[in-house]
Amino acid sequence: GQQLNQSPQSMFIQEGEDVSMNCTSSSIFNTWLWYKQEPGEGPVLLIALYKAGELTSNGRLTAQFGITRKDSFLNISASIPSDVGIYFCAGQLEHDFGNEKLTFGTGTRLTIIP
Amino acid sequence: DGGITQSPKYLFRKEGQNVTLSCEQNLNHDAMYWYRQDPGQGLRLIYYSQIVNDFQKGDIAEGYSVSREKKESFPLTVTSAQKNPTAFYLCASSPSWSSYNEQFFGPGTRLTVL
Repeated sequence: GQQLNQSPQSMFIQEGEDVSMNCTSSSIFNTWLWYKQEPGEGPVLLIALYKAGELTSNGRLTAQFGITRKDSFLNISASIPSDVGIYFCAGQLEHDFGNEKLTFGTGTRLTIIP
Repeated sequence: DGGITQSPKYLFRKEGQNVTLSCEQNLNHDAMYWYRQDPGQGLRLIYYSQIVNDFQKGDIAEGYSVSREKKESFPLTVTSAQKNPTAFYLCASSPSWSSYNEQFFGPGTRLTVL
């Protein structure tokens, strides 16, 4: 199965810094979702995006559905220690609409340096 | 509280044994999914089910089996035919087919083959 190209693979930042990560593909997506996973737990849905160009915020998190429908990015402003975890993008491919499958990125591991 | 439960949290088995992982949801969701997660990789789809008594193979179905006899339950059996079963297994569910497929995850089961 196809996977999304998610970058960076890992980030080491200081508390208070802003964070930016993205997912890209050569295929067109109908939906983009961003999840956060903490060690030993299941992913938690952060933001869902449904149309090209859409910009959605959830507290300090902001995500955008790329205008070409082939990419999405997630920004975290003023990072805090509880932001540590692995962030996954996921999307529903245009040709998967109706069969309810998602394609997942490989994750961005965020570490905050004290 | 509504949610998805997976049990047990940790599971150990000997080589050659079949083992069944439980997944229950009380969200009244139609679709349910099983994913496998290995270190440094994204989520890979094993099986999914859009309605009761129906399910489809995902990208890595070999060595696994499922059943969907009730809307709330989607157990996964890891058979002895699965060559490398040690992994973190995640169950997810989503509302009806008309949604944009926001999937919600359980807490996961970590399976270790001894």
